[in-house]
Amino acid sequence: GQQLNQSPQSMFIQEGEDVSMNCTSSSIFNTWLWYKQDPGEGPVLLIALYKAGELTSNGRLTAQFGITRKDSFLNISASIPSDVGIYFCAGLANTGNQFYFGTGTSLTVIP
Amino acid sequence: DVKVTQSSRYLVKRTGEKVFLECVQDMDHENMFWYRQDPGLGLRLIYFSYDVKMKEKGDIPEGYSVSREKKERFSLILESASTNQTSMYLCASGGTSGDEAPEQYFGPGTRLTVT
Repeated sequence: GQQLNQSPQSMFIQEGEDVSMNCTSSSIFNTWLWYKQDPGEGPVLLIALYKAGELTSNGRLTAQFGITRKDSFLNISASIPSDVGIYFCAGLANTGNQFYFGTGTSLTVIP
Repeated sequence: DVKVTQSSRYLVKRTGEKVFLECVQDMDHENMFWYRQDPGLGLRLIYFSYDVKMKEKGDIPEGYSVSREKKERFSLILESASTNQTSMYLCASGGTSGDEAPEQYFGPGTRLTVT
């Protein structure tokens, strides 16, 4: 199955810094989802995007649906220790039932 | 709030045992999914179901079967557990490309260890 390229693989940042990560695909998607996963837990849905160019916020998180429909971006502003975790993107094509997932970005926030 | 629950958080089974993992969702979703998650391999789809009694193979169905007798419940069965099936198993439910605003919600996961 297809796997989306997500970068960076890991990030170590100071508390208060902003964070950016992105996800790219070789295919066009109509839906992009962003998740956060804590160790030993299931992924939690953060943001859903449905239109090219769409920018959606959820608190300090902002995600964008790329214009080419082959990429998406997630930004976290003013990071705090509880932002620590692994962030995943997921994409869904126009047809089919299967979401494809990114490889994950591991975020560490240093107090 | 969407809720997806899984029958066990942790399971330890012996090689050759039959293992049942159960998932229940409370959002009346048509579609339910079983994934396994392994370090370095990410999330891989095992099976999904788009309706009661309907199922489709995902990317790695070998060694697994599924059952969907009721809309809210989707079970994953390991007919004869093997050590290479030690993994984190995640159930999800949600929409697909036919829906206006598809989303997918995950359960808390079952950490299965086969010894």
